[in-house]
Order: sequence, then C-alpha cells, then structure tokens
Amino acid sequence: NAGVTQTPKFQVLKTGQSMTLQCAQDMNHEYMSWYRQDPGMGLRLIHYSVGAGITDQGEVPNGYNVSRSTTEDFPLRLLSAAPSQTSVYFCASSPQGVDEKLFFGSGTQLSVL
Amino acid sequence: GIQVEQSPPDLILQEGANSTLRCNFSDSVNNLQWFHQNPWGQLINLFYIPSGTKQNGRLSATTVATERYSLLYISSSQTTDSGVYFCAAAIWANSKLTFGKGITLSVRP
Repeated sequence: NAGVTQTPKFQVLKTGQSMTLQCAQDMNHEYMSWYRQDPGMGLRLIHYSVGAGITDQGEVPNGYNVSRSTTEDFPLRLLSAAPSQTSVYFCASSPQGVDEKLFFGSGTQLSVL
Repeated sequence: GIQVEQSPPDLILQEGANSTLRCNFSDSVNNLQWFHQNPWGQLINLFYIPSGTKQNGRLSATTVATERYSLLYISSSQTTDSGVYFCAAAIWANSKLTFGKGITLSVRP
C-alpha cells in the first residue's frame, strides 16, 4: 500500500490564481482531513470528511473548498489564492473516524506571491 | 473547542538522556494521539492513547483522562529522536482532532 499520497510536493502561485491539492489513500479509510501547518501554530484543521459525500468545516475553512466523491480521494481547492494561504498542507486519513490512529501524507509546500 | 497545550516548548538533550514531554487538554477526550515530525517534515503517528499506558521500544506514553493530561517518555535518547512532537485530542462525538503547538526536541551527540 502507498498509504496517503499528496501531489504536488511544491507549488508556487500568484495571488488570485486557483489550484487543487490532491490527496489519495489506498487503505479504504472512511475519515479524511486537511490540515495546514504554519510556524509556531501547530497543525490547524481546514476541512474533514467522515465518508464519501460527507464533508464538514474545521477550524480554518475560509478560502478553501473540498468534496468527497469517492472513498479514495479528498481534493482541496483554493479558488483565489492569497498570500495568507502560504503554508504547508497535510492530508490525513484514519479507518473509521477521528477516534482511530491518524496517518499523514508527506505534505505540500505552497507559496502564494 | 478543546484547548491543547504542550510543555516545554523546546528541549535540548544530550544523547542517552531521558525526557518527559507533557500534553494538557481542557476537556474530556475520547482520542489522544502523539506524533513525531522529523526534520524532513514527515509526520509519524507514535501512539493512539486515549487512556492508560503504552510502550513501543524506547518510547512510552501515559494518558490520565480524568486529570486531563498525557505524558510521552523518551528513554536513552538518540539523535534520530530530534524533531517536533505533537499531541492531538478530540472530545466525545466530535470529529475534529485538535493539535497542540508542539515541542521541539534537539538531541545532541
């Protein structure tokens, strides 16, 4: 199993551009989530999903959209990138819900100029 | 939402020393996890430990849910233990796992 796969690993955007960060897992996990990591802030939850077709907001959802059409994929969309969205983004999954061990992808480093 | 605080924020050890990292949380939890982020940024799950004690090699963790804290013990530290240690918690019937700000550990040879 590849585990949790994130693409791309690095991305540079200009203010106002849009893009999608991809996240896929091959462990048949129901729960998937997106976090952003900023210096001194720890990891903050953006959006999460408890199964296909179900998504909900986390702590810092503004400026981000998600959808979950399949169990395997949970893309994160930035509709109009802003410099404040410069961060490292992590996708994570767990088998049934947040009450189980969480597995992380390798991260995407995003810079918005 | 739940508040998660970790201490100390930074820790410097000589190789071979032992250490204790602390995580306090503000509410009753049904989920407590410890993670290690290595210098290359990879996040590894060390323990899922909502209560009780677990051990994995030189690492062990204890959560006392009734007193709202968890401890991570590192014995005979090695340079490869360097990095940032995060704890994360979630409360009952809540699908949001909240992270602390992390403890930066540096183990010197």
